[in-house]
Amino acid sequence: AQSVTQPDIHITVSEGASLELRCNYSYGATPYLFWYVQSPGQGLQLLLKYFSGDTLVQGIKGFEAEFKRSQSSFNLRKPSVHWSDAAEYFCAVSPMDSSYKLIFGSGTRLLVRP
Amino acid sequence: DSGVTQTPKHLITATGQRVTLRCSPRSGDLSVYWYQQSLDQGLQFLIQYYNGEERAKGNILERFSAQQFPDLHSELNLSSLELGDSALYFCASSVGGSDYEQYFGPGTRLTVT
Repeated sequence: AQSVTQPDIHITVSEGASLELRCNYSYGATPYLFWYVQSPGQGLQLLLKYFSGDTLVQGIKGFEAEFKRSQSSFNLRKPSVHWSDAAEYFCAVSPMDSSYKLIFGSGTRLLVRP
Repeated sequence: DSGVTQTPKHLITATGQRVTLRCSPRSGDLSVYWYQQSLDQGLQFLIQYYNGEERAKGNILERFSAQQFPDLHSELNLSSLELGDSALYFCASSVGGSDYEQYFGPGTRLTVT
């Protein structure tokens, strides 16, 4: 069955430190991959997406993610975290069928220490 | 602001009742998706409509139904509500066809007491 795993429920980093959020997927073929962010009381905002091509993708707010086929991973990174990045981050996959529905991981809550 | 609107923002109702959640997609988007976010199940896909027709179904209960109207807005109907239906319900829209980017609304928080 298709699944997305985000192994870290919570991550705490200091402001200015680097960040990496992990995401692994289980799927027969390479699905389309996404990272979304959800701030408290807000909907989900798309940070970046991977469909094909260059395995390092750039997104909004200074985020990037790297697709590694051999590891079935799509980890999100940011070189320097800002206090405003505190939020919940969701990795999602879209199977290559006609629905384009999103299958989400369980999320990682990011806390930023001043 | 994603351009997707959802009403109401909050809804409190009793068990056994029926409610309707409304979603207006971004201008020009033909696809509407409904998702449920709960503490125990996380974010789950419920159902998708494309240009008025049901395109895909996910983990949607039989007590739940949805439709998309000719003006492309969508409604999610939840009936015989149970405590476990308390959740945040998101609507998302996309252009449709082969477009994979979904834009999410702010959600409707449903509390069943």
